[in-house]
Amino acid sequence: EIVLTQSPGTLSLSPGERATLSCRASQSVNSNYLAWYQQRPGQAPRLLIYGASSRATGIPDRFSGSGSGTDFTLTISRLEPEDFAVYYCQLYGSSPPYTFGQGTKLEIK
Amino acid sequence: QVQLVESGGGVVQPGRSLRLSCAASGFTFSDYAMHWVRRAPGKGLEWVAVMSYDGTRKYYADSVKGRFTISRDNSKNTLFLQMNSLRPEDTAVHYCATEGVGYFGSGSYAYHYMDVWGKGTTVTVSS
Repeated sequence: EIVLTQSPGTLSLSPGERATLSCRASQSVNSNYLAWYQQRPGQAPRLLIYGASSRATGIPDRFSGSGSGTDFTLTISRLEPEDFAVYYCQLYGSSPPYTFGQGTKLEIK
Repeated sequence: QVQLVESGGGVVQPGRSLRLSCAASGFTFSDYAMHWVRRAPGKGLEWVAVMSYDGTRKYYADSVKGRFTISRDNSKNTLFLQMNSLRPEDTAVHYCATEGVGYFGSGSYAYHYMDVWGKGTTVTVSS
């Protein structure tokens, strides 16, 4: 079973700053199977990135994804007030077929 | 527009059963694989189950295998999750979501992610 570990657990930043969120897999994975989601309080999750670096429809270009092998990154270039939320990475694998990281909470400093 | 609406949540005693529904609209439901994903209080997202577009393939998380059953009725654009032998640790907001559609490798391989999500229905298992 591949485990996804996200860091940091909590990230405190100010609007306008750059956010860098990490997702590390316990073994090398196919980057095409790595996705990122945002979940604001009281809302459903929202797909941000799939295939490690492809933005989903309607996602602003301040969101970008990168990485390969075991290390993946979600970058938010300039934080807007609505970006403060919890972020999850997700992997498609073999068993179980779908796995989420434990999440990174992005909070206002 | 594309919409998923979950229902059927509630408060139930340990060991009892509950059936969740997810009503889909705004897209051709029978073309899409569908997921259930949940978030327990104070915890992160947990994938629960997935069913193929035609209902022939289904997979479960180990935590629910043997207790939960995913199914769908394509004639009614509805996804279901039958939850038996419920435990306190099943307490969570349960979401349904569509599988994303996209291909790489010159179209040979499909991406696998959750694209459109419903707002969720809350299940509380408590005596």
